[in-house]
Amino acid sequence: QVQLVQSGAEVKKPGSSVKVSCKASGGSFSSYTITWVRQAPGHGLEWMGRIIPILEITNYAQKFQGRVTITAHTSTSTTYMEVTSLRSEDTAIYYCATGPEFWGQGTLVTVSS
Amino acid sequence: DIQMTQSPSSLSASIGDRVTLTCRASQSINSFLNWYQQKPGKAPKLLIYGASSLQSGVPSRFSGSGSGTDFTLTINSLQPEDFATYYCHQSYTTPWTFGQGTKVDFK
Repeated sequence: QVQLVQSGAEVKKPGSSVKVSCKASGGSFSSYTITWVRQAPGHGLEWMGRIIPILEITNYAQKFQGRVTITAHTSTSTTYMEVTSLRSEDTAIYYCATGPEFWGQGTLVTVSS
Repeated sequence: DIQMTQSPSSLSASIGDRVTLTCRASQSINSFLNWYQQKPGKAPKLLIYGASSLQSGVPSRFSGSGSGTDFTLTINSLQPEDFATYYCHQSYTTPWTFGQGTKVDFK
């Protein structure tokens, strides 16, 4: 059984950056694909990108290209998702997931001056 | 990007009702279609994968069908714990995309 545990809530100023972590346990981390999805308040789910650690491959939604970076540290089974140049519209819950079935608990990022 | 369109956006139903939700892809996604249930404050929960395979532990009143561009999620005999928002999701190609959701509430 795979378990994904994310870092805690963040409050950030516009223009700053945030880095959210997602630590995996159970299974073989290097064989995972870790996906990041966000959900703005009262809105639906939005796919941001993914990383395949064993192949060191990342894919991003065009909307986030250049502003989002996903990395993975296989030694600690942890994936990171960084968003730069934050704006109020980035206020959302950010989820990591692997496969379709295993999701982290979500991390609320609030962008406010 | 593949657009996923769900209908209806919301529906009201009663305990015991049979409910059918639909999802349409803007191009063929074969059977790379998943259905999720989400309750407020919680992460999405996988119900159906591969268009019609029931995820382990999910009650058998949930079923999925379809392939290509048109898909349905059926809930037979709606239970109180089924009031939630349901999302379809295509994993055929990146960027993966989700439908806008169907909220099922109590009539």
